[in-house]
Amino acid sequence: DAGVIQSPRHEVTEMGQEVTLRCKPISGHDYLFWYRQTMMRGLELLIYFNNNVPIDDSGMPEDRFSAKMPNASFSTLKIQPSEPRDSAVYFCASSLVGRPRRSTEAFFGQGTRLTVV
Amino acid sequence: AQTVTQSQPEMSVQEAETVTLSCTYDTSENNYYLFWYKQPPSRQMILVIRQEAYKQQNATENRFSVNFQKAAKSFSLKISDSQLGDTAMYFCAFLRGNTPLVFGKGTRLSVIA
Repeated sequence: DAGVIQSPRHEVTEMGQEVTLRCKPISGHDYLFWYRQTMMRGLELLIYFNNNVPIDDSGMPEDRFSAKMPNASFSTLKIQPSEPRDSAVYFCASSLVGRPRRSTEAFFGQGTRLTVV
Repeated sequence: AQTVTQSQPEMSVQEAETVTLSCTYDTSENNYYLFWYKQPPSRQMILVIRQEAYKQQNATENRFSVNFQKAAKSFSLKISDSQLGDTAMYFCAFLRGNTPLVFGKGTRLSVIA
């Protein structure tokens, strides 16, 4: 398997523009997570899905952020409109979290570095 | 809610020496998992080692080993024979059942030649 695939790897956009980040999880994984990494706040969970259903989006900072998972092999994180403070590295991760004692670690994509100018 | 604390923002070690990174966590759960992830400058998050809380034996992976103290809620990472390629951010993480990983703030490790 190619691992978790994120695109683009780098994105530079102007304030006010819409930004869409994409993620393809590892085949067969039933959980998908979106994290944001900044120097100040570290790794923050934004939202996660189980079997394509959003379970917890309490980490999404504002209504400007939205995430979808239309099928088991694709997810998007959208920011509209973008602001300079959204500049960060955004990670997608997937895992196969089963019964107790069957849980596995999360596998991360290479991240998207977003710069909003 | 679970919290993970890494009290050492930065550390350095001489090549070939041993270094220990600290991690403490707070939980009322009995069954859970702990992880150390490495993030080199390439920013890829790489799993270094994992520990199941129900196992008393400390996990080891080649030069990497942990000291898991369940009662003290402590989970330190020891890197033996440090190599230049070990230079990275190291994140301690907690996992309970089917909830997302909770990360510490990270420790930036520099291995000096």
